Amino acid sequence: SQELEQSPQSLIVQEGKNLTINCTSSKTLYGLYWYKQKYGEGLIFLMMLQKGGEEKSHEKITAKLDEKKQQSSLHITASQPSHAGIYLCGADKAGWYGGSQGNLIFGKGTKLSVKP
Amino acid sequence: SAVISQKPSRDICQRGTSLTIQCQVDSQVTMMFWYRQQPGQSLTLIATANQGSEATYESGFVIDKFPISRPNLTFSTLTVSNMSPEDSSIYLCSVVLAGSEQYFGPGTRLTVT
Repeated sequence: SQELEQSPQSLIVQEGKNLTINCTSSKTLYGLYWYKQKYGEGLIFLMMLQKGGEEKSHEKITAKLDEKKQQSSLHITASQPSHAGIYLCGADKAGWYGGSQGNLIFGKGTKLSVKP
Repeated sequence: SAVISQKPSRDICQRGTSLTIQCQVDSQVTMMFWYRQQPGQSLTLIATANQGSEATYESGFVIDKFPISRPNLTFSTLTVSNMSPEDSSIYLCSVVLAGSEQYFGPGTRLTVT
């Protein structure tokens, strides 16, 4: 079965610093999702990547999917306290039959703390 | 994008009782899902609730324990029946939009005593 491994498990950075979170899959990724979760709350959709080599940006967050579609990275530039939370990568468990089937598996998450 | 609301946001319930969680979406969607996140764990899909058909449950989840309604394309409910402390979790509804973007609601934090 497919597994997603995230690294690092936790990260403490000084405000203003850049950081990268990685997500590695045991199988080819046909749809890779990045979410942010604050403790005890729902998931905030950040980005979805589908194509090998694809890169998307939103504000100071950039996500990439490698050409082989087995690894994705999430990069935050000039981190702020508002970036703190748990970052989760997710992938469609059932495959990609013309689109997502909605059954996502997730990595264990990366807990990000940003020191002011 | 989709805006999803859930009610209640949190609740504390007695063992043996039931709780119904509501999920409202701001647009019509075909595919709606219910997930559970147990303390310290990642999310697990409970069931898929498509309008006009019976909900489809994942292995380990049964309709008697988690009955689901999907009366229209913007609304769904999940009931957690005969609760035990092991049901203490965050319950989230989720939708997939055309283009495969998948959004989650803010969650319902359930504590069973």
